[in-house]
Amino acid sequence: GENVEQHPSTLSVQEGDSAVIKCTYSDSASNYFPWYKQELGKRPQLIIDIRSNVGEKKDQRIAVTLNKTAKHFSLHITETQPEDSAVYFCAASSDLNDMRFGAGTRLTVKP
Amino acid sequence: GAVVSQHPSRVICKSGTSVKIECRSLDFQATTMFWYRQFPKQSLMLMATSNEGSKATYEQGVEKDKFLINHASLTLSTLTVTSAHPEDSSFYICSARKGSGYTFGSGTRLTVV
Repeated sequence: GENVEQHPSTLSVQEGDSAVIKCTYSDSASNYFPWYKQELGKRPQLIIDIRSNVGEKKDQRIAVTLNKTAKHFSLHITETQPEDSAVYFCAASSDLNDMRFGAGTRLTVKP
Repeated sequence: GAVVSQHPSRVICKSGTSVKIECRSLDFQATTMFWYRQFPKQSLMLMATSNEGSKATYEQGVEKDKFLINHASLTLSTLTVTSAHPEDSSFYICSARKGSGYTFGSGTRLTVV
């Protein structure tokens, strides 16, 4: 089955700096890669997603890149703000497989 | 947009009792729902895939007799934690696939005392 690894587990940046979170996946059949932001005790919120037919996607300060050959994808947050502080999860799924999550990254943005 | 309603949001039960958690897709039909479990400061771990009208598919290591899943209609899936123990205390959350995306319920915080 799919195995998703995520790094780093914790990330602390200064407000205004960029944050990068990286994930790798194992199943070449995976074709959908969402990123979620989760506040404590709440449901994951989709912040951006990318499909395997696209290499990069951007939405304002958030961007995701995908390298299918290497089986890795990354989340980039620019101009970070304190409200970006949360736990971020990457995930991978295919049309056949269930969605699997990475271990999560606790991002802290210091004012 | 796609909405999944999950109840209860919080529940406290005594050891040995059973607890039922419901997830309903409010504005779409969900032939498949997923149940996840999340321990504090950890990731969401897939427990089982719930298929309408058929038996759920459980992940390795998940006791199917303890975590009973029923998906009797296209809009309702239930997870029943039977004979609950303190180690079952966790955050349980469901998810439904709609089209190419996934929608999550709001989660249930289960505390077994």
